[in-house]
Amino acid sequence: KAGVTQTPRYLIKTRGQQVTLSCSPISGHRSVSWYQQTPGQGLQFLFEYFSETQRNKGNFPGRFSGRQFSNSRSEMNVSTLELGDSALYLCASSLEQANTGELFFGEGSRLTVL
Amino acid sequence: AQSVTQLGSHVSVSEGALVLLRCNYSSSVPPYLFWYVQYPNQGLQLLLKYTSAATLVKGINGFEAEFKKSETSFHLTKPSAHMSDAAEYFCAVRANTNAGKSTFGDGTTLTVKP
Repeated sequence: KAGVTQTPRYLIKTRGQQVTLSCSPISGHRSVSWYQQTPGQGLQFLFEYFSETQRNKGNFPGRFSGRQFSNSRSEMNVSTLELGDSALYLCASSLEQANTGELFFGEGSRLTVL
Repeated sequence: AQSVTQLGSHVSVSEGALVLLRCNYSSSVPPYLFWYVQYPNQGLQLLLKYTSAATLVKGINGFEAEFKKSETSFHLTKPSAHMSDAAEYFCAVRANTNAGKSTFGDGTTLTVKP
């Protein structure tokens, strides 16, 4: 079974630009959540989608947005990039029915903002 | 509300020595608890999880953790460290009524000396 796939793995942007990151969950997983990981702040929850609906949202500004498609694939978008947005963005999927809360992570998209 | 505190951001042990990584949690509802491991430039991988079954949980790579409700702890142990155990370890808590939103500790970097 294929794992969680995130693209692109690495990208470099400049301040003011926008970026879109993609995540394909494990087949059959309907919940997709996004986390931002930085050395200073650790792992911070961005949002979670289930069946195309945002179910939870973390404390990030409105520049951070996401969506989920009918095939459970998800994208997140960051507009008007700031230097502080440089981070590893991790996507995780979970099998909702199991209700064990286990997350399966992708390898992440490392964003550098110059 | 839920939170996790990992005591010690860096732990160093000799190869063959006991590994003990500490995690204390706070949760207003019965929690699910997890330990994840992250190797450089990779996503997180589940080591083990507690979901209200046995309080002593065995995971992959010889790791285990014990859920102690009275101490609100979920410490991770391994009897004998191996060089390949060097990584960053994260404790996470997830309320069983709030699927998708896990709260992570700040992480503990484990160094294994030869």
